[in-house]
Amino acid sequence: GAVVSQHPSWVICKSGTSVKIECRSLDFQATTMFWYRQFPKQSLMLMATSNEGSKATYEQGVEKDKFLINHASLTLSTLTVTSAHPEDSSFYICSAPNFGQGAVFSYNEQFFGPGTRLTVL
Amino acid sequence: SQQGEEDPQALSIQEGENATMNCSYKTSINNLQWYRQNSGRGLVHLILIRSNEREKHSGRLRVTLDTSKKSSSLLITASRAADTASYFCAYSGAGSYQLTFGKGTKLSVIP
Repeated sequence: GAVVSQHPSWVICKSGTSVKIECRSLDFQATTMFWYRQFPKQSLMLMATSNEGSKATYEQGVEKDKFLINHASLTLSTLTVTSAHPEDSSFYICSAPNFGQGAVFSYNEQFFGPGTRLTVL
Repeated sequence: SQQGEEDPQALSIQEGENATMNCSYKTSINNLQWYRQNSGRGLVHLILIRSNEREKHSGRLRVTLDTSKKSSSLLITASRAADTASYFCAYSGAGSYQLTFGKGTKLSVIP
C-alpha cells in the first residue's frame, strides 16, 4: 500500500510560537491531501483540503490565517500553526488519496500519516 | 460535513467473543471505510465497502452496508486482546474524496 509520513511525530512549543508539520507521500504523487485534527478521546475532524498548485480550502470554523497550508509539491504538504496557544494542542493527521486506480471515487482509499502530537505550553 | 454516528461508544468483551460496531450516516456516499486507531497512534485502514456492495469480508472482519438505512456494521469475530483499539467508520460523499468520520467505538478485549 501507499505510504504517507509526517514530521515531526511530536512537538512541544511555547505559546505564541509557530510550528510547521510536514506531510509526505513517499511512493505516490498526491495532488490532494487532507488535514485532520483529533482532540483527546474524540474523532477526527477535517480541517482543510490541501491542493497542489492552488489555495487550500478550509472547513467552516477553521481559521485560514492561523493554520497555513502550503502544498509545495506533488509529494509534500505543510501545515503551519501560527501563534500557537494551549487550545491548539491536539493530534494532527494528514491523509492522501491514491489515484492509482484512476479518479474513481468509489474506489478511493486514503492513506493516513502516523500523526503529529502538538503540545503548546 | 455532518459527522457520522457510531454505537456503541465503548464496548468491552472477553477474548474469543465477537464484537459488533455500528455506524450511521446522513448523506449519499461513494464508499464507507473502517479504520482502527490504537491509543495515541495513527490510523490503520481495515476495509472499504463501495456503495453498490452489501457485504465484504477480510480475515476476521465482516462489514455490511445498508444504503437504504444509511448504516454499516463492522463485526470482528474471535476477538483477541490485540484488537483493543478505537474503531472509526469514515465515508465520502458523492463526487468527493473528503472523508467524514464517525465518532468511534472504543473496543476493549479482555484476555
